[in-house]
Amino acid sequence: ETGVTQTPRHLVMGMTNKKSLKCEQHLGHNAMYWYKQSAKKPLELMFVYNFKEQTENNSVPSRFSPECPNSSHLFLHLHTLQPEDSALYLCASSSRTTGSTEAFFGQGTRLTVV
Amino acid sequence: DAKTTQPTSMDCAEGRAANLPCNHSTISGNEYVYWYRQIHSQGPQYIIHGLKNNETNEMASLIITEDRKSSTLILPHATLRDTAVYYCIVRVNFGNEKLTFGTGTRLTIIP
Repeated sequence: ETGVTQTPRHLVMGMTNKKSLKCEQHLGHNAMYWYKQSAKKPLELMFVYNFKEQTENNSVPSRFSPECPNSSHLFLHLHTLQPEDSALYLCASSSRTTGSTEAFFGQGTRLTVV
Repeated sequence: DAKTTQPTSMDCAEGRAANLPCNHSTISGNEYVYWYRQIHSQGPQYIIHGLKNNETNEMASLIITEDRKSSTLILPHATLRDTAVYYCIVRVNFGNEKLTFGTGTRLTIIP
């Protein structure tokens, strides 16, 4: 248990569906991240939020839409995805204001687009 | 962030020390060395980090060479649960918290 919880753990969706991934952290962190891990590829950073503000969008297609309503919650809204978007989506959090700089990851959401 | 180079895979006998090398010859003075591991289909787990001194915690030891161009992660008594992909990452500590993952080293602990 890392203190970062992602739901759902598994998701199957059609290309015309709209779904959302949720991430919640109870660590008091103020930075949150979305990463994507496709099969046989390294983790790729998608988005960074610091104090609820998006500070990085790593050229992610607009069919992925992040939302950070507060420092504890992060969402990834999905719509009209493609089969190649099937991957493990990981959320992480870290603190920018304490001496601890390590990131804590959730268990991920395994997404399959059919 | 500086680039790192790690062997693709390694094996280690259960109960022995696992020594995982990492080269980071372009590291700059304000960059730290971080190690994470990822057990199959789980999220990465932080292990340890350091700047220039050797570090030890309950999970592992980190040995950084004097010129800081390479480092070694040591798991002193490897168990089967240490089978994972180990990532060496170099980054500054403040102002850029994102982690850039490479392909890492796939460590297999042999019974």
